Amino acid sequence: QSVLTQPPSASGTPGQRVTISCAGRSSNIGTNFVFWYQQFPQTTPKLLIHRDNERPSGVPDRFSASKSGTSASLVISGLRSEDEADYYCATWDDNLSEFGWVFGGGTKLTVL
Amino acid sequence: EVQLVESGGGLVQPGRSLRLSCAASGFKFDGYAMHWVRQTPGKALEWVSTVNWDSSLITYAAPVKGRFIISRDNTNNFLHLQMNSLRVEDTAFYYCVKGEGPGSSVGFDYWGQGTLVTVSS
Repeated sequence: QSVLTQPPSASGTPGQRVTISCAGRSSNIGTNFVFWYQQFPQTTPKLLIHRDNERPSGVPDRFSASKSGTSASLVISGLRSEDEADYYCATWDDNLSEFGWVFGGGTKLTVL
Repeated sequence: EVQLVESGGGLVQPGRSLRLSCAASGFKFDGYAMHWVRQTPGKALEWVSTVNWDSSLITYAAPVKGRFIISRDNTNNFLHLQMNSLRVEDTAFYYCVKGEGPGSSVGFDYWGQGTLVTVSS
């Protein structure tokens, strides 16, 4: 059971806009930056979004993200077939008894 | 170009030990926190441990606390993970991951290709 909650799957058709949610709590998303990672099958994860909503260089502007309270969202606009991958959110958790990094369970995005 | 190359994975019996290493290059190693993240094939990513830039702050995930030891060699640009008392549930790909800054909580950017650890009798 992951500390951050993501829907296990999401889907859309080419050109559509898809949103992937990530729910946490005050000690993690509510306090710290959220990061998003993209992982294709049999490959290593790649940083997609850092510090809540900033795109590293090279990431298309079709990818955007936001955060509100204890939840965050990744938005993919103008969906393309090559966006089919697993997406993970992550953040630092300041929980006094067990601080460290936490991940979401991942969302498998299918492009129909 | 940032490069992170893990080594040391393999098949090991439950209760035994294994030491993973990560050779880092392409960046100022002692300026960044480093992390280990694991992933069972087909499953989600799971954070394992973090060491900040000067090893003054080390944190572990609950499942590995007391069994795994993270360390770094800032002279030779290596990150290590000593894994003791291994369990079947430790079976996973282990990724060496570079932090975005010197502190433990600033996020990760570059990932190594991973090394597979299989714990089985």
